[in-house]
Amino acid sequence: GQQVMQIPQYQHVQEGEDFTTYCNSSTTLSNIQWYKQRPGGHPVFLIQLVKSGEVKKQKRLTFQFGEAKKNSSLHITATQTTDVGTYFCAGPGANNLFFGTGTRLTVIP
Amino acid sequence: DAGITQSPRHKVTETGTPVTLRCHQTENHRYMYWYRQDPGHGLRLIHYSYGVKDTDKGEVSDGYSVSRSKTEDFLLTLESATSSQTSVYFCAISANRGSRSTEAFFGQGTRLTVV
Repeated sequence: GQQVMQIPQYQHVQEGEDFTTYCNSSTTLSNIQWYKQRPGGHPVFLIQLVKSGEVKKQKRLTFQFGEAKKNSSLHITATQTTDVGTYFCAGPGANNLFFGTGTRLTVIP
Repeated sequence: DAGITQSPRHKVTETGTPVTLRCHQTENHRYMYWYRQDPGHGLRLIHYSYGVKDTDKGEVSDGYSVSRSKTEDFLLTLESATSSQTSVYFCAISANRGSRSTEAFFGQGTRLTVV
């Protein structure tokens, strides 16, 4: 079946350091989505990437979709305490949405 | 926030009892999903629906059943709850799927404890 793996599972950074999480799919994806879940909260949509090699930015967040459309990354520049949470990538199946295992980010003030 | 409500928000139940969780949406989205979230496993798909009375199994469907008799409601039933079903359950909705998929909106979650 379709699998979406994420690394690392956990990441602790000092405030101001950069952070990157990587997502790898066993199959080619038509698109990929990224979500953020704050502690105790529910996942919230951040962005969707569709095109091969696509790069999108949201303030300090940079999202990339690989050329082969099987991998993606999320990079946060100069982390802040508000970035704390778990970041998930998600890829579409025929009728559903498969989520990666997530990367839990802790930011140390 | 999108109009999606889960009930109950918290529940403690005994092993062997049936439990039903409800997801209600006011967005008229066609696709609805039930996920469970456990430490180290991320979000795992239990069942999903692509229309009224149209449902299918996800990756962890054993011990669960679903029903969707109306567009707005998607019910998840644990037929005979076990301790391994202690988890946080999320309902999600989306307007499209597959290559045309759009963002999914999540409910607030239901924390279920089976004792």
